[in-house]
Amino acid sequence: GAGVSQSPSNKVTEKGKDVELRCDPISGHTALYWYRQSLGQGLEFLIYFQGNSAPDKSGLPSDRFSAERTGGSVSTLTIQRTQQEDSAVYLCASSTRQSTYEQYFGPGTRLTVT
Amino acid sequence: GENVEQHPSTLSVQEGDSAVIKCTYSDSASNYFPWYKQELGKRPQLIIDIRSNVGEKKDQRIAVTLNKTAKHFSLHITETQPEDSAVYFCAASTPSGGTSYGKLTFGQGTILTVHP
Repeated sequence: GAGVSQSPSNKVTEKGKDVELRCDPISGHTALYWYRQSLGQGLEFLIYFQGNSAPDKSGLPSDRFSAERTGGSVSTLTIQRTQQEDSAVYLCASSTRQSTYEQYFGPGTRLTVT
Repeated sequence: GENVEQHPSTLSVQEGDSAVIKCTYSDSASNYFPWYKQELGKRPQLIIDIRSNVGEKKDQRIAVTLNKTAKHFSLHITETQPEDSAVYFCAASTPSGGTSYGKLTFGQGTILTVHP
């Protein structure tokens, strides 16, 4: 079946603009995660959604970052007033209820703030 | 929160040799330890994982060992091949929100180069 998809694949924006990044998880996956990977670095946890529970937002670096998950499926990560240090690859992952440990990653969105 | 340290940061081996990458974690509540392989410009791919009730797991040329007492786990790749060249990340999953699973905390990665 289809894997996790993300759009856009690349986004170039000017400093100060807002951006929205989209994630479509694998159908039926109840858990959805956002991570950030800066150049040559590991993956940094941002936010985690599980079903109808309140999201775990403990990894969001500032109040400029927010995320929504509508209808328990698609998620949107929004970065307001982008800064150059926001430049990174933003990765989304999802996992199932039956196999909730394994996380399957999307291809990522490469964000460049100029 | 959880902290995962990974060593070495780079590893260079000859084809056919073994490669070992080691990680330590800080939170004794962490209960799931996956390893991901990431090729340049690609998404991370799960290659093997281990849960906290198991000490060792093997899948063909890849094995992972876990020492819960010492809070460390290792990836072992035998008979390395050039196509094993990639960045490898370890991670630890810490339960949250009343569930038995949760977010992953990643190590900083190991760049593995296998020379033909």
